[in-house]
Formats: sequence, structure tokens, C-alpha cells
Amino acid sequence: ILNVEQSPQSLHVQEGDSTNFTCSFPSSNFYALHWYRWETAKSPEALFVMTLNGDEKKKGRISATLNTKEGYSYLYIKGSQPEDSATYLCASENNAGNMLTFGGGTRLMVKP
Amino acid sequence: DAMVIQNPRYQVTQFGKPVTLSCSQTLNHNVMYWYQQKSSQAPKLLFHYYDKDFNNEADTPDNFQSRRPNTSFCFLDIRSPGLGDAAMYLCATSRGQGMYEQYFGPGTRLTVT
Repeated sequence: ILNVEQSPQSLHVQEGDSTNFTCSFPSSNFYALHWYRWETAKSPEALFVMTLNGDEKKKGRISATLNTKEGYSYLYIKGSQPEDSATYLCASENNAGNMLTFGGGTRLMVKP
Repeated sequence: DAMVIQNPRYQVTQFGKPVTLSCSQTLNHNVMYWYQQKSSQAPKLLFHYYDKDFNNEADTPDNFQSRRPNTSFCFLDIRSPGLGDAAMYLCATSRGQGMYEQYFGPGTRLTVT
């Protein structure tokens, strides 16, 4: 994998559904993996920064896992709510220090 | 209260007419970044400042310049905008480099006519 890739590109779920999406990144020169949430007309907001293989982080109904050996991270949302509707961006940070390479994002829409 | 502020939120400029986008921060962070995001694509880093040290990405066109007169402010100058420069421009800050989360402004959407 040469670039940071996210899938799916967009996702429609019903309120109450749990969902997950994927971020794939180059495992060479890996330093950290960032997840951001970007709501329409607002600023992207940091969710998690993870660095260790097997790391798992949680914030409310949102959690993320990291596999640095195979180069992927999953973001999970339990019991989706309409306010979770946003674009979720992941970014890989290499060991040169805090330069983020972003994926194209997953646009999540939660229907009431 | 907004911590990273970008003005204006929407900017329309004419082909070839210089334009400046501004970013300010109240976080006193050392590092400031400018990203360009074209429609439905990944945000792409243009350059960043660590304090006063300017770091240009290798593939950032010469048409794009930046200034950071003090810790709080950073400007993006596009000397001769082309139609292909229409995009969302995001400013971000971080306390330092290496595993620090970045704080973003809401972006300036640039239209080139």
C-alpha cells in the first residue's frame, strides 16, 4: 500500500445501527495513525491518535483499533445517531514527524 | 470559542488575481499547517511552519507562498490563481511534532472565476 485509503467512500445507515469502516496505510516508516471527524460547515475534530500495534481507543460510542503490521485501522460506531453524520478522515503520520497523509474519508449519513 | 480561525470562509477571486487567505490561532501552538482539499479528495499538505522555520512540501507549486509574521497568524498567498486552484484550504495547528493531534480551522473555500 503506497497511499492512505479509506473504505467505503460513503455509507448510509439507519439510526441505531452499528457500523464500521476501514483505513489502510503503508506500514513502512509508520509512526502514528490519526482519526478525525469532520461535520459539514465545521472544523475537522481529532478523535484518536494511536501508535502501538493492537492499540484500541474508545470515546463514548466510537472506538478504533490499530494493526501496524498489516497496515490497517478500523473505526467502529455503536448505535449510530443522526449527530454522528460526518466525514471520518484517517491520516498516517510517518517517522519524519507529524506530517500527516490523509485518506479520502468515509462520509457517514445516519437516517433518523 | 474558536481556537483556529480562518478568514474568509468563502473567497471568490479571478483567474490570475492574487489572493491571500488568513489563519489565526489562540492556542499558542508551535506548528501551523496549510492543507488543500479538492472536491472529494484527501486533504493534501502544502507546507508547514515550526515556529519560524518554513517547510515546503516537494510538490507544492511555486504559485503558493506562505508567511507567518508571529506565532498567532499564518497566511497563504496564491500569486496567480488558476482554475485548478479552486479548493477548500484548511489551516491546522499542533503543539509540536510527533503524535500530537492537529487542531483545524473550518476552512476557506476558494472559487476561481
